[in-house]
Amino acid sequence: DTEVTQTPKHLVMGMTNKKSLKCEQHMGHRAMYWYKQKAKKPPELMFVYSYEKLSINESVPSRFSPECPNSSLLNLHLHALQPEDSALYLCASSQLPRGLAGGTDTQYFGPGTRLTVL
Amino acid sequence: GQQLNQSPQSMFIQEGEDVSMNCTSSSIFNTWLWYKQDPGEGPVLLIALYKAGELTSNGRLTAQFGITRKDSFLNISASIPSDVGIYFCAGLGVTGGGNKLTFGTGTQLKVEL
Repeated sequence: DTEVTQTPKHLVMGMTNKKSLKCEQHMGHRAMYWYKQKAKKPPELMFVYSYEKLSINESVPSRFSPECPNSSLLNLHLHALQPEDSALYLCASSQLPRGLAGGTDTQYFGPGTRLTVL
Repeated sequence: GQQLNQSPQSMFIQEGEDVSMNCTSSSIFNTWLWYKQDPGEGPVLLIALYKAGELTSNGRLTAQFGITRKDSFLNISASIPSDVGIYFCAGLGVTGGGNKLTFGTGTQLKVEL
């Protein structure tokens, strides 16, 4: 099973709203990722969690706040977003960073959340 | 951020034709991955390559990890309408904070019946 699930599928929010995106995987993966993708462009990395700890933040604005409550769950909390933040938000997971315990690092993506900020 | 050079940018082919696309980089990668993405969906992993020179097949798909570790190609044989979509290559490198994927710019494939 290589399934990563994301909820909701679609989200429309105003600039003053607070909302959260959720991601879940049950593959025993210890690295999880958030990406942002604009139409017809490749995904752009936002955050990486390794062993439930934030290991990479790609200079993402503080209106995006990630959280990893446990090894299976990853959240992205949204507050005071701008219309230009409208995009497809993708979650991914991988087994282990290469070089640690011999795990593979192939990333598996979820179906994404289509976010529209009005 | 950094992107890999992926070509062609788009292809419009006849059903049954073979397709070839490639990615090149100025950096060395330890792993090359090929994904396919349908509109409004997440990328789906097609093939993963872990060793320089490796040639791997998955049904009608064949991909190779370049011997210099700076390039990879993907071939699709006998294309069918459901092959339509955007194909991304991705190179995996390890930084101090963890593993990061660098994506190609994508190849949009359209298949004419």
